[in-house]
Amino acid sequence: DAGVIQSPRHEVTEMGQEVTLRCKPISGHNSLFWYRQTMMRGLELLIYFNNNVPIDDSGMPEDRFSAKMPNASFSTLKIQPSEPRDSAVYFCASSWGTSVTGELFFGEGSRLTVL
Amino acid sequence: QQQVKQSPQSLIVQKGGISIINCAYENTAFDYFPWYQQFPGKGPALLIAIRPDVSEKKEGRFTISFNKSAKQFSLHIMDSQPGDSATYFCAASNNFNKFYFGSGTKLNVKP
Repeated sequence: DAGVIQSPRHEVTEMGQEVTLRCKPISGHNSLFWYRQTMMRGLELLIYFNNNVPIDDSGMPEDRFSAKMPNASFSTLKIQPSEPRDSAVYFCASSWGTSVTGELFFGEGSRLTVL
Repeated sequence: QQQVKQSPQSLIVQKGGISIINCAYENTAFDYFPWYQQFPGKGPALLIAIRPDVSEKKEGRFTISFNKSAKQFSLHIMDSQPGDSATYFCAASNNFNKFYFGSGTKLNVKP
């Protein structure tokens, strides 16, 4: 299996621009998580989906952030408009959820820099 | 409010020594306690995990010690090697839903 695939790996953009991060979870996994990692705040859960349905988005910082999961094999995290404080590494992770095991499989992350 | 508190923030250990990282939690509903290992430029990967019905779990050089009454758990790395140098995160979850991560410990094993 290829694992969780994220794109782009690196993104540099200017303040005010729209940013879209993409994630392909491991086939068969029914839970998908978006995390943000910074030195100051560590790993923060932004949102998670179960069977393509958003279950908890309480970690989404503000209305500038939105996430979708149109099908079981694809999810996006969008920031519009982006701000310098959004600079971080964004991780997508997937798991079997409650059915089998709790292991989270993380992608390699998307490093976002907002100038 | 931080659900899982982790210490120390950084740790330097000599090759062959024992590395110990500690975590504490408050929510007694947590029933799954994993440790993740992260190398630079990579995503975290599961290292070892424990359920609260046991007090210890060992996998090779890695051991989790779990104290339910104190609401604490720790990771012990025996015979630490330079290849163990990474950032370690403890986490806690209730029924594999939301995972709360500690702030991370950067381990440096000196040759």
